[in-house]
Amino acid sequence: DGGITQSPKYLFRKEGQNVTLSCEQNLNHDAMYWYRQDPGQGLRLIYYSQIVNDFQKGDIAEGYSVSREKKESFPLTVTSAQKNPTAFYLCASRTDRNTEAFFGQGTRLTVV
Amino acid sequence: GIQVEQSPPDLILQEGANSTLRCNFSDSVNNLQWFHQNPWGQLINLFYIPSGTKQNGRLSATTVATERYSLLYISSSQTTDSGVYFCAVDTVRSNDYKLSFGAGTTVTVRA
Repeated sequence: DGGITQSPKYLFRKEGQNVTLSCEQNLNHDAMYWYRQDPGQGLRLIYYSQIVNDFQKGDIAEGYSVSREKKESFPLTVTSAQKNPTAFYLCASRTDRNTEAFFGQGTRLTVV
Repeated sequence: GIQVEQSPPDLILQEGANSTLRCNFSDSVNNLQWFHQNPWGQLINLFYIPSGTKQNGRLSATTVATERYSLLYISSSQTTDSGVYFCAVDTVRSNDYKLSFGAGTTVTVRA
C-alpha cells in the first residue's frame, strides 16, 4: 500500500525530554515536509527537504531538528529547547515543487 | 514570502445548501491545491488546480491564476463536508520548495 506513514499516532513525553517523530514514504518522492498545527490554527512549516542529505528551515524551526539520510525517511526531533511542543505534527511529501503534495495521518504530541 | 488569504474564516451551513470558499494569493503561482481536514486531523487532497476548473462529485474548483484567486464550490452540502478547508500554493518567483498554506475556512454543516 503506497503512502506516507507517521508514527506513533499519539505520543506523550515529559517536559525536558527530546522526542523523535517518524515519517516514512514509499511514493518515491524527493521532497518531504514537516508542519505543526495548534488547535484551531493553520499549518506552519517547520522544516523541509528537497533531496536526500539536504534540508532547509521553515518558518518555525527553532527547537526542532531533522535529518534526511534516506529518500524514504524524514524524522523530526522535538528538542527540550522547544518552548511549547504540544501540538499536532503533520508530514507531507511530493515528487518535486509544483507537484501535488500528500500528507500522513499526523502525530499528536503531548508534553506534560 | 507569498501571502495566502482564505475567506470566510468560518461558515455555517444547513444541510443541502451551496457555498463558495475563496483563496487569494499575493503573487504568481505554479501550483495550487485544496485540502479538506477531517475531524481526525487528516488532510485529504481535493484538487490540484494551478489553473482552470475541475469537478469531483459535489465539489468543484476554479483557479484564475492571472487574477490571483481560487474558488472552491460545495454543492448540496452534507454533514460529512464539515471540517477545515485549506488552500496551499507554490510561488513562481523562486526555486524554493516551500508550500505555503492559508489559515483555512472552518465549515460546519448542520443536519
